Amino acid sequence: GAVVSQHPSWVICKSGTSVKIECRSLDFQATTMFWYRQFPKQSLMLMATSNEGSKATYEQGVEKDKFLINHASLTLSTLTVTSAHPEDSSFYICSARVWASGHYNEQFFGPGTRLTVL
Amino acid sequence: AQSVTQLDSQVPVFEEAPVELRCNYSSSVSVYLFWYVQYPNQGLQLLLKYLSGSTLVKGINGFEAEFNKSQTSFHLRKPSVHISDTAEYFCAVGERDDKIIFGKGTRLHILP
Repeated sequence: GAVVSQHPSWVICKSGTSVKIECRSLDFQATTMFWYRQFPKQSLMLMATSNEGSKATYEQGVEKDKFLINHASLTLSTLTVTSAHPEDSSFYICSARVWASGHYNEQFFGPGTRLTVL
Repeated sequence: AQSVTQLDSQVPVFEEAPVELRCNYSSSVSVYLFWYVQYPNQGLQLLLKYLSGSTLVKGINGFEAEFNKSQTSFHLRKPSVHISDTAEYFCAVGERDDKIIFGKGTRLHILP
């Protein structure tokens, strides 16, 4: 099956610093990647959708200047949390999708990255 | 707009007993339906999906779900649970080429 990786798996940073999280599709080319955020004991909330080579589309209430998303290649998308604060601490999960005409295009999920901001 | 309701936030069940996790959805168009499992501190694993065809869908780890269009439900079942089934289960709905909307999750507790 399709494999999606995330790096790092966990990160601790100081308040005010920026953190970059990578999402890679290992054995397929992903035209679209999604970024989700999950608070403890809660569901996944979609943050943004990124298509390779174009600007990400952010969900309502998500600060695009706070959460910078880059999808520069068909196998890599990055999420940068700028000027992180303790309230940004969360579990961030990405998913990747390859688009094929006439088929349902399944999303494959990464293992997640746990961010703790001190 | 689509939405997903998981009726139980937690479900305790004894080992080797059957379990049903309930999910209802709302959508104005044809949908795709999913169940995902999340083990502690891990990402999501797809258990099963309904895209079309037979309304009874079989997935991994002995789970199955039945799509009921008239009741807009997609309940997940397993005839005999194991301690290793302890996890969070998410029901989700999606439209073709669109984003997936997740339910709030049901935590399955397996009691010895």
